[in-house]
Amino acid sequence: EIVMTQSPATLSVSPGETATLTCRSSQSIRSNLAWYQQKPGQAPRLLIFGASTRPTTIPTRFSGSGSGTEFTLTISSLQSEDFAVYYCHQYNDWPRTFGQGTKVEVK
Amino acid sequence: QVQLQQWGAGLLTPSETLSLTCAVYGGSFSDYYWTWIRQPPGKGLEWIGEINHSGSANYHPSLKSRVTISIDTSKNQFSLKLSSLTAADTALYYCARSPRLITSSGAASYKLDYWSQGSLVTVSS
Repeated sequence: EIVMTQSPATLSVSPGETATLTCRSSQSIRSNLAWYQQKPGQAPRLLIFGASTRPTTIPTRFSGSGSGTEFTLTISSLQSEDFAVYYCHQYNDWPRTFGQGTKVEVK
Repeated sequence: QVQLQQWGAGLLTPSETLSLTCAVYGGSFSDYYWTWIRQPPGKGLEWIGEINHSGSANYHPSLKSRVTISIDTSKNQFSLKLSSLTAADTALYYCARSPRLITSSGAASYKLDYWSQGSLVTVSS
């Protein structure tokens, strides 16, 4: 099983600043990684797939990068609606696995 | 607009079998993998398994002995059964859609682009 490790567990950021979240995999997953945002009481929402591809409905302030074993989600100019928990998800191998999440909170 | 709506019993006792069904409205049903994910209260996401329109399923090894995912293409529905429940199975259960990605190794699931709102299943005596 591929283990996904996210850091930090909690990130305190002020509105308008940039948040950088990291996800590492226990073995190479090429670019087979997605990021999701989850707000309290809601289902996760797809933000990024293919490590760096953003669905058309996702704002451009969300960007993803990386390949192999290290990946980054960057949220530029944080808005109030961006404070949430973020999960990475590998689909390179079965079973599919998720990171434990990073909570982005207001500083 | 694609919508996934699920239903099933919310309160079960240990040793019982969980049964959830997810109906898909809008979009094609045959070009996707249909997935179940769960989230224990206050914790992260756990992939349970998936099935394609042909009925070929993949399961998480830790649950494989207790889980069955089935599909009814005539109704655009798929279902989850999880047997021998314990308190550790208490979670919010989601169904989700994954488009089919054609790779050099064949077809596979990838991004989870539509999710249900989830339903809480509590296992308690």
